[in-house]
Amino acid sequence: NAGVTQTPKFQVLKTGQSMTLQCAQDMNHEYMSWYRQDPGMGLRLIHYSVGAGITDQGEVPNGYNVSRSTTEDFPLRLLSAAPSQTSVYFCASSYPDGSGAHTFGSGTRLTVV
Amino acid sequence: RKEVEQDPGPFNVPEGATVAFNCTYSNSASQSFFWYRQDCRKEPKLLMSVYSSGNEDGRFTAQLNRASQYISLLIRDSKLSDSATYLCVVKPNSGYSTLTFGKGTMLLVSP
Repeated sequence: NAGVTQTPKFQVLKTGQSMTLQCAQDMNHEYMSWYRQDPGMGLRLIHYSVGAGITDQGEVPNGYNVSRSTTEDFPLRLLSAAPSQTSVYFCASSYPDGSGAHTFGSGTRLTVV
Repeated sequence: RKEVEQDPGPFNVPEGATVAFNCTYSNSASQSFFWYRQDCRKEPKLLMSVYSSGNEDGRFTAQLNRASQYISLLIRDSKLSDSATYLCVVKPNSGYSTLTFGKGTMLLVSP
């Protein structure tokens, strides 16, 4: 099993550009989420999904969109990149059983110039 | 008050030492508690869950004090490979798996 796969691993964008960060999992997990991690800020929840067709906002959703058309995929879209979105982005998945055993992808390092 | 607070460290200890990290959380209704480990420039990985009665996994012991809203992690006989950032994590609600992460405590184990 590959677990949670994120692409790309690195990306540089210009301000105003849009892009999609890809996330896929092959564990049949219903719950998926996106976090950003900034120095001194810890991991902050952007959006999450409890199953195909269901998404909801986390702590810092502004500037990001998500969709969940299948159980496996949960892409994160940056609509118009800003320097404040320079960060490391992690996708995670788990069973919705409250165990907390999130499996994280290896992350995408995004720089917006 | 921040939801999950940790001392950022770094904690510098020699190999073989015992080190303890603490964490406090603000939501008294929090349901579940965990320690995650994050190596430099890597993704977080679940280290262990924290149960009310306390639990142990090899050299690692976790404790929870619900009355004081306090979680601890004790590492005995530290190894060089224990060098990492340890994240205190709280699940605020029952049901869905949204987690709240502390900012982490950095541990550096030296020879």
